[in-house]
Amino acid sequence: DAMVIQNPRYQVTQFGKPVTLSCSQTLNHNVMYWYQQKSSQAPKLLFHYYDKDFNNEADTPDNFQSRRPNTSFCFLDIRSPGLGDAAMYLCATSRVRAYNEQFFGPGTRLTVL
Amino acid sequence: AQKVTQAQTEISVVEKEDVTLDCVYETRDTTYYLFWYKQPPSGELVFLIRRNSFDEQNEISGRYSWNFQKSTSSFNFTITASQVVDSAVYFCALSEAEGAQKLVFGQGTRLTINP
Repeated sequence: DAMVIQNPRYQVTQFGKPVTLSCSQTLNHNVMYWYQQKSSQAPKLLFHYYDKDFNNEADTPDNFQSRRPNTSFCFLDIRSPGLGDAAMYLCATSRVRAYNEQFFGPGTRLTVL
Repeated sequence: AQKVTQAQTEISVVEKEDVTLDCVYETRDTTYYLFWYKQPPSGELVFLIRRNSFDEQNEISGRYSWNFQKSTSSFNFTITASQVVDSAVYFCALSEAEGAQKLVFGQGTRLTINP
């Protein structure tokens, strides 16, 4: 089945220790998104890639970076995780038009000790 | 600026009851898209429905139905004869018409269906 895969599902890191979350897709979609979702809150868009074009949200902290080496893979790097970065991180993909629904992965739950 | 409001934070009903989840949106765009997503305890958001701003037809899919009214800027979601498996957080979302889809989510409604 075509899908969005996120690894790992659970990630524990230490305060200040860099961490990378990965997302892959078999849908061949142009657009890939990273969302942060804190407990009992709505997902918050961090950035998205439209093919290789990177689009950062204005309020995304510099601590968050992303890479998309090819169509299938996208990575979220958190350079110096703080306690406030503990959250569920959701990856999503879509075809390029605004009316197309997004397909979400299962998420990676990040714990910062 | 676009905004989505889901005033009901939590709803709890007994199985087989009908339940309606409210969604009110704000946008200055004349063309826009509205979505409902379901987030079960497993965490993955699942797409349920899309509506564009020019299509005010209501839709029914099995036990699910959606009522879109531009006059009140609302896009409400009704589950008929609810089941325990319907328990989840439901998000209403709005996207602008141009370019890659950037979803503005409401705060979500946590729906609990009790046996």
